[in-house]
Amino acid sequence: QVQLVQSGAEMKRPGASVKVSCKASGYTFTNYYMYWVRQAPGQGLEWMGIINPSGGGTNYAQKFQGRVTMTRDTSTSTVFMELRSLRSDDTAVYFCARGEDYDFRNWGQGTLVTVSS
Amino acid sequence: QSALTQPRSVSGSPGQSVTISCTGTSSDVGRYNYVSWYQQHPGRAPKVIIYDVTKRPSGLPDRFSGSKSANTASLTISGLQAEDEADYYCCSFAGNYTWVFGGGTKLTVL
Repeated sequence: QVQLVQSGAEMKRPGASVKVSCKASGYTFTNYYMYWVRQAPGQGLEWMGIINPSGGGTNYAQKFQGRVTMTRDTSTSTVFMELRSLRSDDTAVYFCARGEDYDFRNWGQGTLVTVSS
Repeated sequence: QSALTQPRSVSGSPGQSVTISCTGTSSDVGRYNYVSWYQQHPGRAPKVIIYDVTKRPSGLPDRFSGSKSANTASLTISGLQAEDEADYYCCSFAGNYTWVFGGGTKLTVL
């Protein structure tokens, strides 16, 4: 069965960077796009971007352009999301999700990133 | 890109039906038949319950149904059960490999 296992919680200072990983299993990694979605405490879901694990191509939500980079490692079936210049309002749970056509069919368990001085 | 508009909350009694609306624009909901709905229980990851406006993932009860008219998509849950109490989010493809979510709706089963 499809499984997405994310890295553990992180605590960062404002201005720092964070890199969250998402290891996939149970399917052919390069056949499905992967997405990143975040959720601030008590708030809704926010789409951050997409990566094609096959060629590495990416597209990011305008809000995050210049601050986010999504990469993948096909040898370990893992995708990564790095967010730089962290601010307090970046405190959120970050989810990876496997795409199926135009929806997010399988989700990781989420990674809490806390930004605080 | 602006978030899709959903009611903040809806409620219903067990056995009743509720409908949650999701209003976008002619650039997202109105243009593409790629609206999906997600159910999220507290502390859990979201789970897809409707995709491509009307389709249900295998194994999901047919109490959940989706529809769309112009720029507004809707999720209907019939035969409400206690375990349906959760947050519900719509999401639409918006072209050029971008997606947009709704603000979310809290469903309370009375």
